[in-house]
Amino acid sequence: QKEVEQDPGPLSVPEGAIVSLNCTYSNSAFQYFMWYRQYSRKGPELLMYTYSSGNKEDGRFTAQVDKSSKYISLFIRDSQPSDSATYLCAMSGGRGSTLGRLYFGRGTQLTAWP
Amino acid sequence: DVKVTQSSRYLVKRTGEKVFLECVQDMDHENMFWYRQDPGLGLRLIYFSYDVKMKEKGDIPEGYSVSREKKERFSLILESASTNQTSMYLCASSGGGSKADTQYFGPGTRLTVL
Repeated sequence: QKEVEQDPGPLSVPEGAIVSLNCTYSNSAFQYFMWYRQYSRKGPELLMYTYSSGNKEDGRFTAQVDKSSKYISLFIRDSQPSDSATYLCAMSGGRGSTLGRLYFGRGTQLTAWP
Repeated sequence: DVKVTQSSRYLVKRTGEKVFLECVQDMDHENMFWYRQDPGLGLRLIYFSYDVKMKEKGDIPEGYSVSREKKERFSLILESASTNQTSMYLCASSGGGSKADTQYFGPGTRLTVL
């Protein structure tokens, strides 16, 4: 079983829709949770960063972590065509145990059409 | 802003050639990483380094080697390129402190081996 599972999609939504992207994981030591966005032919860029459980909001984006269920989500409100990209979840157990190594999901490809 | 640069965006090599991929970061980061990214397989860690002259194998080190002679530079070497090493190669770096696990990516090198 892969440590981080993510549905690859593809996901296609109309402009203005609410999008929910999800990952599950198996390692209870994970403490740091990230979402990266990757446009076509570019490197991933950090979108959201969360420590431990709870919610974090940044504009149209909300990251949610439920450590008890080992489940993380990214919500995108009022989706725009510019949100069309691949979204990768990533997580780690903290600096001491993993030396900064991240464990990635395979990415979900999202298209928001006008 | 953190900047991670990679020596080439596109590279075409022949089977059996020795290939060097260079990565440079300008933020004095301790950790550096090499990944390859393939459709359906996501990001896979090849090697990483948490200090000059130090290296650790990732999940798929076979057929690759690395070199870190200076803190800002991390090189990936394909000793004898093969067609199954055709892929997108991504370099990343991360620093210390509370954001130790946030990785910053370069733009990627798309390598084709003929």
